[in-house]
Amino acid sequence: QKEVEQDPGPLSVPEGAIVSLNCTYSNSAFQYFMWYRQYSRKGPELLMYTYSSGNKEDGRFTAQVDKSSKYISLFIRDSQPSDSATYLCAMSASPRGNTPLVFGKGTRLSVIA
Amino acid sequence: DGGITQSPKYLFRKEGQNVTLSCEQNLNHDAMYWYRQDPGQGLRLIYYSQIVNDFQKGDIAEGYSVSREKKESFPLTVTSAQKNPTAFYLCASSYEGVADTQYFGPGTRLTVL
Repeated sequence: QKEVEQDPGPLSVPEGAIVSLNCTYSNSAFQYFMWYRQYSRKGPELLMYTYSSGNKEDGRFTAQVDKSSKYISLFIRDSQPSDSATYLCAMSASPRGNTPLVFGKGTRLSVIA
Repeated sequence: DGGITQSPKYLFRKEGQNVTLSCEQNLNHDAMYWYRQDPGQGLRLIYYSQIVNDFQKGDIAEGYSVSREKKESFPLTVTSAQKNPTAFYLCASSYEGVADTQYFGPGTRLTVL
């Protein structure tokens, strides 16, 4: 079993839809959770970061963590064509920033106008 | 501008040649990382360095070498021993103190002819 599982998609939705992206993990030591967005042929950019169970909201994006189920989600409200990208979840067991993150394989999202 | 730069953006290599990919950061980050990205494979860690003059192997280090002589620089050499080097290579860096601050460069696309 891989440490982090993420459905690769592709996921195609109409503009304005609510998008739900998910990752599951097996290592209960993971305490820090991130979502990155990667446009085609570009480097990933940090989108959301959370370290506790519950929800964290930033504009149209909400990150949700359920440590009891080892499940994290990213919700995108009012999705736009500019949200079309690959979304990568990442996790760490360490509060120190100099240890490698464990990444999911990414979910490719297409928002159709 | 602060950030991470990678050069070149595109690189072509003949079989049997070694090539070096450049990664420079002016963020004063302590740690630096090299990842390889293939379609459907997500990000795979090649090497990482937490401090100058020290580095550790990641999951797929065979056929690669690195050096960390300066805090701001972490070049990656793809040697002829790497059997399938065609991929998108991403460099990242992070602070020691905060788990969320891993930032990526724009990437280098390496193609073996």
